[in-house]
Amino acid sequence: QSALTQPRSVSGSPGQSVTISCTGTSSDVGGYNYVSWYQQHPGKAPKLMIYDVSKRPSGVPDRFSGSKSGNTASLTISGLQAEDEADYYCCSYAGSYKVFGGGTKLTVL
Amino acid sequence: QLQLQESGPGLVKPSETLSLTCTVSGGSISSSSYYWGWIRQPPGKGLEWIGSIYYSGSTYYNPSLKSRVTISVDTSKNQFSLKLSSVTAADTAVYYCARLQVGATTGPAFDIWGQGTMVTVSS
Repeated sequence: QSALTQPRSVSGSPGQSVTISCTGTSSDVGGYNYVSWYQQHPGKAPKLMIYDVSKRPSGVPDRFSGSKSGNTASLTISGLQAEDEADYYCCSYAGSYKVFGGGTKLTVL
Repeated sequence: QLQLQESGPGLVKPSETLSLTCTVSGGSISSSSYYWGWIRQPPGKGLEWIGSIYYSGSTYYNPSLKSRVTISVDTSKNQFSLKLSSVTAADTAVYYCARLQVGATTGPAFDIWGQGTMVTVSS
């Protein structure tokens, strides 16, 4: 099992939108609609932001949205705010196993 | 409100066994809608899934760690545990326990996390 591929970093200005990609294979991202996304601030535990590709848990702002095409899933954050600056990780089901992406650092300029 | 708390030694010697426990409070570990999992994060690096367990004892392990990992559950104490044998410096990481939702209409996702505990492997 190889880690899912994410860009090391992305950035955007307040109010703008950014998209973080997560590329896997037909054995994980492409094979199931079970991609989740996590936000992690420094020194804190990860927080679930998106599950089942595009569903938001209660309390997560609708500025966060998810999608998938083929073997690539994406997390889009619209109306960027300073508090969105964090690391973001994707995770996919891979047939009883779970595989994470390498993480993307989002910088709000 | 459900909470998870990791506990165990913060320092383990090379070649020994790392042992951690996760205590679940505010809810039952025996719920049919959830698995329970361990995830780790080496300093400055990304997340790695270690394995997951159901309250019945059914387990799934990361293939890359399978030969060294044992996850067990104690429903009477509302706890689940991780044992990682033959540790090296590469096993130095923050270890998180988390709840894995697996409902009939939802896919697997780690929806509640413990705060994490740092484990250093060093002599």
